[in-house]
Amino acid sequence: ETGVTQTPRHLVMGMTNKKSLKCEQHLGHNAMYWYKQSAKKPLELMFVYSLEERVENNSVPSRFSPECPNSSHLFLHLHTLQPEDSALYLCASSQEFDSGTGELFFGEGSRLTVL
Amino acid sequence: SQKIEQNSEALNIQEGKTATLTCNYTNYSPAYLQWYRQDPGRGPVFLLLIRENEKEKRKERLKVTFDTTLKQSLFHITASQPADSATYLCAPPNNNAGNMLTFGGGTRLMVKP
Repeated sequence: ETGVTQTPRHLVMGMTNKKSLKCEQHLGHNAMYWYKQSAKKPLELMFVYSLEERVENNSVPSRFSPECPNSSHLFLHLHTLQPEDSALYLCASSQEFDSGTGELFFGEGSRLTVL
Repeated sequence: SQKIEQNSEALNIQEGKTATLTCNYTNYSPAYLQWYRQDPGRGPVFLLLIRENEKEKRKERLKVTFDTTLKQSLFHITASQPADSATYLCAPPNNNAGNMLTFGGGTRLMVKP
């Protein structure tokens, strides 16, 4: 148990569906992250939120829309996805963003399959 | 652009031996580097952080070195056990700006009894 909970753990959706991934951290951290992990590829940073402000949007297509309503919750809204978006989506949190050396605490991931 | 390279081939070793994994980086100078362990279908778990002014860092059976001249970090597991079998990821910061890590592709370690 890492203190970061992701739901759902598995999601299958069609290309025209709209769904959301949810992440909740119980660690009192103030930075949260979305990473994408495709088969045989390194983790790719998608979005970073520090104190509920987005500080990084790593050239991610607009069909992925993040939302951070407070420092404990992070969402990734999915809309009109492509089969190549099928991947493991990992949420992480850290104590601080600006200090630069904090370890990341990852959730177990949401395995997304786009048909 | 920044590049992180880890041996993509699996490393197979016998139980009790020392495993050594390599992380090479090019085109920048990270102020620190983190190592994570990832089991299949799970999120990565933090293991160690080493800063650029530290040559070596130890934690139980784990040891990490950081050679800024060679632009390389080595990750060692001594007295390896089958339970150490996993993928190990190195992660220096992206542009040394905040806590944005860039992950290497990882090296899978298989420890055979």
